[in-house]
Amino acid sequence: EAGVAQSPRYKIIEKRQSVAFWCNPISGHATLYWYQQILGQGPKLLIQFQNNGVVDDSQLPKDRFSAERLKGVDSTLKIQPAKLEDSAVYLCASSLSGRADTQYFGPGTRLTVL
Amino acid sequence: AQSVTQLDSHVSVSEGTPVLLRCNYSSSYSPSLFWYVQHPNKGLQLLLKYTSAATLVKGINGFEAEFKKSETSFHLTKPSAHMSDAAEYFCVVIGGSYIPTFGRGTSLIVHP
Repeated sequence: EAGVAQSPRYKIIEKRQSVAFWCNPISGHATLYWYQQILGQGPKLLIQFQNNGVVDDSQLPKDRFSAERLKGVDSTLKIQPAKLEDSAVYLCASSLSGRADTQYFGPGTRLTVL
Repeated sequence: AQSVTQLDSHVSVSEGTPVLLRCNYSSSYSPSLFWYVQHPNKGLQLLLKYTSAATLVKGINGFEAEFKKSETSFHLTKPSAHMSDAAEYFCVVIGGSYIPTFGRGTSLIVHP
């Protein structure tokens, strides 16, 4: 069974530029999560999708971050414009039904904003 | 509302000695609780989970955790540490909204 795929694995940009991350969850998983993990901290949930609907985006900085999950499968997270404090690892995870299931994590995208 | 507190940012043990990583939670609903491990340059992986069945949960690699409702705790233990256990460990709570909250993490250091 293929795991959660993310791309790119690394990205370096200048502040005020835009960037997009892509995630393909495990086939058949209804729930998809995006997390931000700053060095030395635990993952912070940015947005949670159930199929193509949003369950929670209370911690997503909506003035600069956006996310979509078209057709309830893969997802894109965008930052525009980026700030220095956005430097972090962005993790994507998926779970079968979203009802306290095990989450399966991708390798993450390490973003550096200069 | 829910929250999780990992009481130690770092735990240092010698190889072959017991491991205890502490986690306390707060949830207004009967919670599901998880421990995930993150090895350097590797993805997060489930160690074990509690979902209202047996209160003593066994996971991979000899780890186990006990759900204690009266103490709102879900501490992770292992009888004998191995060098390969050195990693970052995260406690996660999921309450009635099915939205996960991670703790800040505990770094386990294992000395030879």
